[in-house]
Amino acid sequence: KAGVTQTPRYLIKTRGQQVTLSCSPISGHRSVSWYQQTPGQGLQFLFEYFSETQRNKGNFPGRFSGRQFSNSRSEMNVSTLELGDSALYLCASSDLAEDEQFFGPGTRLTVL
Amino acid sequence: SQQGEEDPQALSIQEGENATMNCSYKTSINNLQWYRQNSGRGLVHLILIRSNEREKHSGRLRVTLDTSKKSSSLLITASRAADTASYFCATDPIQGAQKLVFGQGTRLTINP
Repeated sequence: KAGVTQTPRYLIKTRGQQVTLSCSPISGHRSVSWYQQTPGQGLQFLFEYFSETQRNKGNFPGRFSGRQFSNSRSEMNVSTLELGDSALYLCASSDLAEDEQFFGPGTRLTVL
Repeated sequence: SQQGEEDPQALSIQEGENATMNCSYKTSINNLQWYRQNSGRGLVHLILIRSNEREKHSGRLRVTLDTSKKSSSLLITASRAADTASYFCATDPIQGAQKLVFGQGTRLTINP
């Protein structure tokens, strides 16, 4: 099976812009979770989607949003970008029958 | 916020030696997982231990879990240069909205 894919791999934006990141889970996985990784805060959970519904949400402002499509692919959107949003954004998929999460390579977002 | 705290933050050993990393957490969990990350890339799942298990082995990896002390340890035996990476523990909390809560990680360096 192909692994989790994330696009784009690198992104440079300026403050105030918005950005959309994409994640394609492993075939057959219906749960997709997003995480933000920064040197200061480490790995933090953003949200989880299952069957197009948000199941869990971390402690992030409303500028961070996501959605999941019927084919389980997921997107996350960050509006009104701030310098502090510069981070590695990781997507993970899982089969609900298992607890292990499979991570993609991440999208490195730089906000200037 | 991070639930897990890992100790040590950095560890440097000689190839062939054993490496031990520790993780402490705060709330009751369903399971605890260990992940490896190479140079800011995606995370690779290493091993999962459930709350009713005390020890688990996978190849050169040995994980222990003490739910009374809310702590876990990861032992890598006969280390290799390729084991150089950051290692994270992640807990699946019984309560709360988080999917996985990660520790800050241990940076392991294996010297040839």
